[in-house]
Amino acid sequence: DSGVTQTPKHLITATGQRVTLRCSPRSGDLSVYWYQQSLDQGLQFLIQYYNGEERAKGNILERFSAQQFPDLHSELNLSSLELGDSALYFCASSARDWVYNEQFFGPGTRLTVL
Amino acid sequence: EDKVVQSPLSLVVHEGDTVTLNCSYEVTNFRSLLWYKQEKKAPTFLFMLTSSGIEKKSGRLSSILDKKELFSILNITATQTGDSAVYLCAVEVDNTDKLIFGTGTRLQVFP
Repeated sequence: DSGVTQTPKHLITATGQRVTLRCSPRSGDLSVYWYQQSLDQGLQFLIQYYNGEERAKGNILERFSAQQFPDLHSELNLSSLELGDSALYFCASSARDWVYNEQFFGPGTRLTVL
Repeated sequence: EDKVVQSPLSLVVHEGDTVTLNCSYEVTNFRSLLWYKQEKKAPTFLFMLTSSGIEKKSGRLSSILDKKELFSILNITATQTGDSAVYLCAVEVDNTDKLIFGTGTRLQVFP
C-alpha cells in the first residue's frame, strides 16, 4: 500500500459524458501527478500539481483538466469522453525533495467508455 | 523528442534463472532514472539512480546506470514466480518534474 488513494476503482460511462477522478496523496506529499495508461500507449504523463499550482504539463488533451485543492487532494476531470479515453488513470505523489523525486502510485481508476 | 526504450518487450524464464532487463534513454537534461515493478495494478517503486557506476541493490534485485552510454540495467537473480510483472523504466528530465516512461518489459517466471 503506497499511501496514495484513488476513487473510484472502476468507472463505466458513455461517450460524450464527463467524469471526475479523485486522488489523495500520501500524507505530507505536496506533489500530485496524473498518468494515463492504455494498452497501446503505455504510461503517459498528463499533468503535475505542486502545492495547489500547476507545475508541469504532458500529453494532456484540452478536454481534460485537473486541479489540486488546499487539502492537497487532486481531481482529474475528463469531458466529452471518447472511446479512446478508456484507460487506467494513475495518480502518484511525491514529497518533491530537490534531490529525489520518488513517485508513489495509487491503485488507479479504470475508466471504460462505451 | 525525449524517449525511453526498454528491451526485451517480453521475457519468459523458469524459476531460478537470472534475467537482465535493459533501459536506454535519449533525453535532454537527464536528472535521474527510476525502475518500477507493475503487477496487477499500480507501479511500485524499486530504485532511483542518479550517479553513473553505482549499483543499487535490494535483495535479489540490483540496478546500475551508465550515464555515458545512456542506459541502465535491472538484474534479477534466482527468479521466483512472484517476480512475474511488468518492469517499467522512467527517466526524470531536469526542471520538468515529469517522468518519461518506457513501455516496459513483461517478465513471466514459470515454476
